[in-house]
Parts: sequence; C-alpha cells; structure tokens
Amino acid sequence: KAGVTQTPRYLIKTRGQQVTLSCSPISGHRSVSWYQQTPGQGLQFLFEYFSETQRNKGNFPGRFSGRQFSNSRSEMNVSTLELGDSALYLCASSSQRGASYEQYFGPGTRLTVT
Amino acid sequence: QQQVKQSPQSLIVQKGGISIINCAYENTAFDYFPWYQQFPGKGPALLIAIRPDVSEKKEGRFTISFNKSAKQFSLHIMDSQPGDSATYFCAASSTYSGAGSYQLTFGKGTKLSVIP
Repeated sequence: KAGVTQTPRYLIKTRGQQVTLSCSPISGHRSVSWYQQTPGQGLQFLFEYFSETQRNKGNFPGRFSGRQFSNSRSEMNVSTLELGDSALYLCASSSQRGASYEQYFGPGTRLTVT
Repeated sequence: QQQVKQSPQSLIVQKGGISIINCAYENTAFDYFPWYQQFPGKGPALLIAIRPDVSEKKEGRFTISFNKSAKQFSLHIMDSQPGDSATYFCAASSTYSGAGSYQLTFGKGTKLSVIP
C-alpha cells in the first residue's frame, strides 16, 4: 500500500498571503489529521476530519482551516500568513476500523513565511 | 491542561547499549500510547503502541513499559544501533468518542545519538 502523500513538499510564501496544502491518505483510511511541527512548540494538533466532517479542532486561530473530500483526500488552508506560521505541516491518516487507532504520517510540507 | 512530559531531551548511548526514554501524562482519559521515530526531513514513523490493559509490549528490539497507577510509560531500545539515531516522540490519545478523541498529544521529543 502506498503511504500518506503530501504536496507540495516545500513552499515559500510572503506574510499576508494564503496557502493550501494537500494530503492523500492511505487507501481505505477515512480519518485525516493535521499537525504543525515547530522547534519551539513541537508537534501540535490542528484538526481531524472523518468522512468529510471535522470532528476535532486544536487551539489554533480561525486562519487555519481544512476540509476533506469524498475520496478522503484533505486540504488545509492558512490565510493571512504570519512569520510564526513557518513550520512543518504533517498529515496523518488512520483507518479507525474496529480497534485500529494507529495514525500514519506523511513526509510533511515545509512552509517558510518571509 | 492535557500534557505529555518527555525526558530526557537528548540521549547519547554506546552501540549495543540500552536506550531508555520516559514519558508521563496527566489526563486519565488517555488510553492509547504510541511512540514515533523521526529522522531529519521525514515525517514521524509509528514504532510501537500500547493500551493500558497491558503493562509491557515488545516488538523486536523495542519495548514499551506502562505503569497506569503512576501515569508513566517508557520506551526501551535494546542493542541500540547507529541507525537508531533519530528523534523519538511519545504520544497519547483518548479513543473514546466525543470531543478530543483520537487527537495525539505529543511529548517534546528525545534526540537519540548512538555512537559506534
């Protein structure tokens, strides 16, 4: 099975711009979660989607949003970028069938805001 | 506040030695505890995970020890190899349905260096 894929792998944006990141989960996985990783704050949960519905949201401002499509692919959007949004954005997918709770991460998108 | 505290921040181990990383959690609703390994430029890779109904789980050279009463769990890497040099993250989540379910709360990470 192919793993979680994320595009693009690298992005450079300017303050005030917006950005959209994409994630394709492992085939058959219906849950997609997004995390932000920075050296200072570590790995922090952004939100989780399951069957096109946002089930959980972390403590991030409304500038961070996401969605999930019927094929389980997910996108996250950050509007009005700030310098502090520079981070590695990771997507994780999970089947959540039966007692399976494992989350598998993609390689991430490295976002640099200048 | 839901927190997972991880120690040490960094660890240097001789090849063939045992690497031990510890984590402590506060939220008693947590019932799923995975460990992830991350190499530079890569996403975290799931290593091994445990549920609170067992006190130990072993997979190859990796063992999780779990102490429910102390709210602590640890990762032991036996016969550590230079290829194990990476950053290791412990995490915790609740698998009950409802708000906050399934989201992973991570420790800050431990940078492991295994020297030949």
